[in-house]
Amino acid sequence: EDQVTQSPEALRLQEGESSSLNCSYTVSGLRGLFWYRQDPGKGPEFLFTLYSAGEEKEKERLKATLTKKESFLHITAPKPEDSATYLCAVQGLMTTDSWGKLQFGAGTQVVVTP
Amino acid sequence: DGGITQSPKYLFRKEGQNVTLSCEQNLNHDAMYWYRQDPGQGLRLIYYSQIVNDFQKGDIAEGYSVSREKKESFPLTVTSAQKNPTAFYLCASSILGQQPQHFGDGTRLSIL
Repeated sequence: EDQVTQSPEALRLQEGESSSLNCSYTVSGLRGLFWYRQDPGKGPEFLFTLYSAGEEKEKERLKATLTKKESFLHITAPKPEDSATYLCAVQGLMTTDSWGKLQFGAGTQVVVTP
Repeated sequence: DGGITQSPKYLFRKEGQNVTLSCEQNLNHDAMYWYRQDPGQGLRLIYYSQIVNDFQKGDIAEGYSVSREKKESFPLTVTSAQKNPTAFYLCASSILGQQPQHFGDGTRLSIL
């Protein structure tokens, strides 16, 4: 069964203090790894898709990287508006028993203070 | 703008009552999904539908029902059989067979 573990559960940063979030996964063949941002009381907002080890994607102060066992979301010089919960999800290969559904981690809650 | 609209934003259920959560999308997506989000847990899949008039159970379908009569709409009914319905419910859609999924802004269901 596909599993996703995110760490830490919560992260408090000073504005400008760079850090990384971890997403460890086990999956029977990776079709894709997805990062989402979720603000309180809102639905997740899609950020990135990563498909293979070594791949990197960037958007403003966020950079996602992927290895065969984990993904990192690096936040460089964060601002208060980067405060949110960041969710990681994996999609495994489609089999007779699996249609390739997403398996989500519990998320990392990030608070950036001025 | 294209997107997913969930309503209501807040919903309260009395004991023994069925309640229905609305989800409408204008993204022309074939696939639609319902998730439940509880504090400290990842999103869990309740039901999904890949085409009109067809849907499949997810990991936690007991106590829930859905219908898919139109491509744009995928309502979720939380029945009285669901003994712990208090949660944040999220609807999503995607192009058939593809990711990523795009989400609505959720409905928070509480018990009176």
